[in-house]
Amino acid sequence: DTAVSQTPKYLVTQMGNDKSIKCEQNLGHDTMYWYKQDSKKFLKIMFSYNNKELIINETVPNRFSPKSPDKAHLNLHINSLELGDSAVYFCASSQGLRDTEAFFGQGTRLTVV
Amino acid sequence: DAKTTQPNSMESNEEEPVHLPCNHSTISGTDYIHWYRQLPSQGPEYVIHGLTSNVNNRMASLAIAEDRKSSTLILHRATLRDAAVYYCILSRRSGGSNYKLTFGKGTLLTVNP
Repeated sequence: DTAVSQTPKYLVTQMGNDKSIKCEQNLGHDTMYWYKQDSKKFLKIMFSYNNKELIINETVPNRFSPKSPDKAHLNLHINSLELGDSAVYFCASSQGLRDTEAFFGQGTRLTVV
Repeated sequence: DAKTTQPNSMESNEEEPVHLPCNHSTISGTDYIHWYRQLPSQGPEYVIHGLTSNVNNRMASLAIAEDRKSSTLILHRATLRDAAVYYCILSRRSGGSNYKLTFGKGTLLTVNP
């Protein structure tokens, strides 16, 4: 069973569209994250949710809105997509973060044309 | 964010040990040292973490300097499957009791057959 799964794996869309990426974890973790990896391969944290509550928001544009319907899911909705949003988005989960490991999904490659 | 410094790239031969260095001179007493790796076209994967003492697991060993300002990830026998970008990360508190992983540029490890 995949521990952290994201859908879709690839997403190609036009500028101005609204799209969502879904993430589910079956590890029973209480914390979930979204990371963005740009074309230069830098991995940056975007959001962190703990027990469905937003705890980290790293100066991400308002067009990005995470939603956590329950502890096992953290979806990412993006409005009015821009060319600069093209990247690979990774979902991750952990039980806390200080001294435990995080599990990452396989990523969603978003291409905005 | 807690800063780590790693070489941009390293090369190794198959079945030889690899020592990946990391400097973290601004580490605080409560920061854990984590190592992750990212294989091509995959999400980051946990390797090992530690606080003060050296750590071993089935994937690698982590040697932490006595002053904790540097650490070394040791792959005892490199295989072609170990070719990846290796990230040295300090997990640091980000508000309340929450911690986050801040990825740097990492070290691209090439393993020669």
